[in-house]
Amino acid sequence: AQSVTQPDIHITVSEGASLELRCNYSYGATPYLFWYVQSPGQGLQLLLKYFSGDTLVQGIKGFEAEFKRSQSSFNLRKPSVHWSDAAEYFCAVGGGSQGNLIFGKGTKLSVKP
Amino acid sequence: NAGVTQTPKFQVLKTGQSMTLQCAQDMNHEYMSWYRQDPGMGLRLIHYSVGAGITDQGEVPNGYNVSRSTTEDFPLRLLSAAPSQTSVYFCASSYGLAGGSGELFFGEGSRLTVL
Repeated sequence: AQSVTQPDIHITVSEGASLELRCNYSYGATPYLFWYVQSPGQGLQLLLKYFSGDTLVQGIKGFEAEFKRSQSSFNLRKPSVHWSDAAEYFCAVGGGSQGNLIFGKGTKLSVKP
Repeated sequence: NAGVTQTPKFQVLKTGQSMTLQCAQDMNHEYMSWYRQDPGMGLRLIHYSVGAGITDQGEVPNGYNVSRSTTEDFPLRLLSAAPSQTSVYFCASSYGLAGGSGELFFGEGSRLTVL
């Protein structure tokens, strides 16, 4: 069965520092992988997605993620965090027969001034 | 564009009451779904639909019913509300299958409290 693990519940970084949010997945075939962001009181917005091809994918707001099949990981990165990046981030895996997305439990990002 | 519209945004119910959360999308998406979000649990799929007249259960379907009579609308019904159904509910839609090439578009959520 598909599953997604986000090991970090809460991360705090200083503004301007680099960021890496971890995501590990379990899936038998090549997965479809996604990162979504949720600002307080809002719905989720797609940051980026990986289907195939180049394992480094670029997304909106300066985010990127790298698919590493050998580590079953799809970590999200940003070289310099802005205060507006404070939000909750969800990794998700798809591709199953029912075509649904399975979400991780999320990582809350706080940004220190 | 309206996108995905959910109503109501907030609702308080008493145990045993019934209600319907409304969801409408204006993007002509075939796939629609309902998730619930609870602290520390992420998003869990309740029900989904791949087209009008077709619905199926997700991970946590008990206590909820859905129907899909039109492409645009996908209401979620709570038949007899329980405190365990206190949560934030999100409706989402996509052009293709959510876990395939389709990007999920989310509504702003409906916060439900059951006393």
